Amino acid sequence: DAKTTQPNSMESNEEEPVHLPCNHSTISGTDYIHWYRQLPSQGPEYVIHGLTSNVNNRMASLAIAEDRKSSTLILHRATLRDAAVYYCILPPSSGSRLTFGEGTQLTVNP
Amino acid sequence: EAGVAQSPRYKIIEKRQSVAFWCNPISGHATLYWYQQILGQGPKLLIQFQNNGVVDDSQLPKDRFSAERLKGVDSTLKIQPAKLEDSAVYLCASSFSWGGTDEQFFGPGTRLTVL
Repeated sequence: DAKTTQPNSMESNEEEPVHLPCNHSTISGTDYIHWYRQLPSQGPEYVIHGLTSNVNNRMASLAIAEDRKSSTLILHRATLRDAAVYYCILPPSSGSRLTFGEGTQLTVNP
Repeated sequence: EAGVAQSPRYKIIEKRQSVAFWCNPISGHATLYWYQQILGQGPKLLIQFQNNGVVDDSQLPKDRFSAERLKGVDSTLKIQPAKLEDSAVYLCASSFSWGGTDEQFFGPGTRLTVL
């Protein structure tokens, strides 16, 4: 599986945008970029995924660099409920195995 | 739509005892996963089923862990005998099929403490 690198932690203020970076310099042409998050004492939940183009859904936006070696998860207005560990994952193109790293712990200040 | 169900939510046992966890995936989901999450780490895949066949069990400690998926629906994960290092949250997840874009839905997990 292609390796991803994320900052260990980030802080944000409530109602401000948050940009969570992820580096994946060894990504292959067919690897999708997935983001999951894990709220305290819960199982992970899917946030968004993309291949080449930027993607938007009701939870977040995903901005993918032109060379695909990095991506950024964007939370447009952080809420206290967004405090979680965010994981950037590249599942193998031949299957659905998710390899979780340590992710980024996002703290949202009121 | 009902989510992934797991039971029990908590379990405390002594080392060398046996324990079993149960998972009911989302209806219609062909793929089922068991993950182990040790405190402070991300989840690690233990085993993946496609219907009732094993797709990936490369990280399952087969000397003590076993899993089955009866009739391609519910699944059980068993540890026998348990060790102290098995203390973790065991997460079950399911997805509609087995593809790189399929969203995985996770259950709430079972927190196991081995004393």
